[in-house]
Amino acid sequence: GENVEQHPSTLSVQEGDSAVIKCTYSDSASNYFPWYKQELGKRPQLIIDIRSNVGEKKDQRIAVTLNKTAKHFSLHITETQPEDSAVYFCAASKGAGGTSYGKLTFGQGTILTVHP
Amino acid sequence: NAGVTQTPKFRILKIGQSMTLQCTQDMNHNYMYWYRQDPGMGLKLIYYSVGAGITDKGEVPNGYNVSRSTTEDFPLRLELAAPSQTSVYFCASRPLGGARGTGELFFGEGSRLTVL
Repeated sequence: GENVEQHPSTLSVQEGDSAVIKCTYSDSASNYFPWYKQELGKRPQLIIDIRSNVGEKKDQRIAVTLNKTAKHFSLHITETQPEDSAVYFCAASKGAGGTSYGKLTFGQGTILTVHP
Repeated sequence: NAGVTQTPKFRILKIGQSMTLQCTQDMNHNYMYWYRQDPGMGLKLIYYSVGAGITDKGEVPNGYNVSRSTTEDFPLRLELAAPSQTSVYFCASRPLGGARGTGELFFGEGSRLTVL
């Protein structure tokens, strides 16, 4: 089955700095790569996602890049703010077609702390 | 529109006891999932369902059972609780074709279970 590795496990930055979280996946058939943010004691919520036919996607201060050849993708957060402090999870899926049924395989998570 | 609702939010069980975690969604989503979240381990898929009457095992199904008699409800049953089942459990759902063109999962608020 799919295996997703996420690094680093913890990341501490100063407000205004950039933060980068990296993930690698094992199954070359995976074609959908979302990122979820989970604030303390809350449910995970989707912040951005990318499909395998796209190399980069941006949404304001957040961007995701995908390298299909190397089977890795990254989350970039610019101009970090204290409210960005949370646990971030990457995930991979083969989409909802066939027998994959939209099942996500998650990375281990990165605890991001943004210091004011 | 309440989204995905889980009960109970917290529960303490003794070893060997059984219980059911309830999950219901009011979005008419076909796909439903149960994940468990352990510290530093990300979210692991326990069971999933693609519609009423259809369920299948995920990555870590041992010690659990599910049923899906209606589109709305997807309860998770723990038989003979063990300390290894101490975790936070999340129920999630998504529509057949994806929401807003994505494979976004909609999570419940989670159920924190402790087995002593």
